[in-house]
Amino acid sequence: EDQVTQSPEALRLQEGESSSLNCSYTVSGLRGLFWYRQDPGKGPEFLFTLYSAGEEKEKERLKATLTKKESFLHITAPKPEDSATYLCAVQASRGQNFVFGPGTRLSVLP
Amino acid sequence: AAGVIQSPRHLIKEKRETATLKCYPIPRHDTVYWYQQGPGQDPQFLISFYEKMQSDKGSIPDRFSAQQFSDYHSELNMSSLELGDSALYFCASSPGRNTEAFFGQGTRLTVV
Repeated sequence: EDQVTQSPEALRLQEGESSSLNCSYTVSGLRGLFWYRQDPGKGPEFLFTLYSAGEEKEKERLKATLTKKESFLHITAPKPEDSATYLCAVQASRGQNFVFGPGTRLSVLP
Repeated sequence: AAGVIQSPRHLIKEKRETATLKCYPIPRHDTVYWYQQGPGQDPQFLISFYEKMQSDKGSIPDRFSAQQFSDYHSELNMSSLELGDSALYFCASSPGRNTEAFFGQGTRLTVV
């Protein structure tokens, strides 16, 4: 069964304090790994897609990386507006649906 | 840019009633997904459609059904509603089966 775990469950950072979020996955045949950001009561907002180990994607203060067993979302010099829940999801080669992890709740304090 | 549109945004129903949620995907997206998200939980996959045909099925109760129409919009029909059905229901669309999905703002269903 495909599984996704994320750590930490919650993270509090001071503005400007860089850190990383972890997403570990078990899937039979990875088609893609996806990062989303979700604000309370709103739909997940797409951030990145990673398809193969060694791949990296960047967008503003965020950088996502992928290995064969996990992905990291690096946040450099975060700002309070980066506060949100960050969700990781995988899509297996045999199926179509996205399997989500429980998310990391990030709070960036001014 | 056009986004996924869901209606209604909020819905309050009584137990045992029925509800219909609608989803309008991004133009030229041929794949639609439905997800349920309870309070403090991650999104749980319900069902998906590709080119108007059901393509994958998750933990969707037998009381729920869904379809995708010729104009690619989709509807999730929920009958005999239970208190536990209260949740956020998200629709997402993608321009293919092997690519990222874009989510709508969701429908908040409250069953009382």
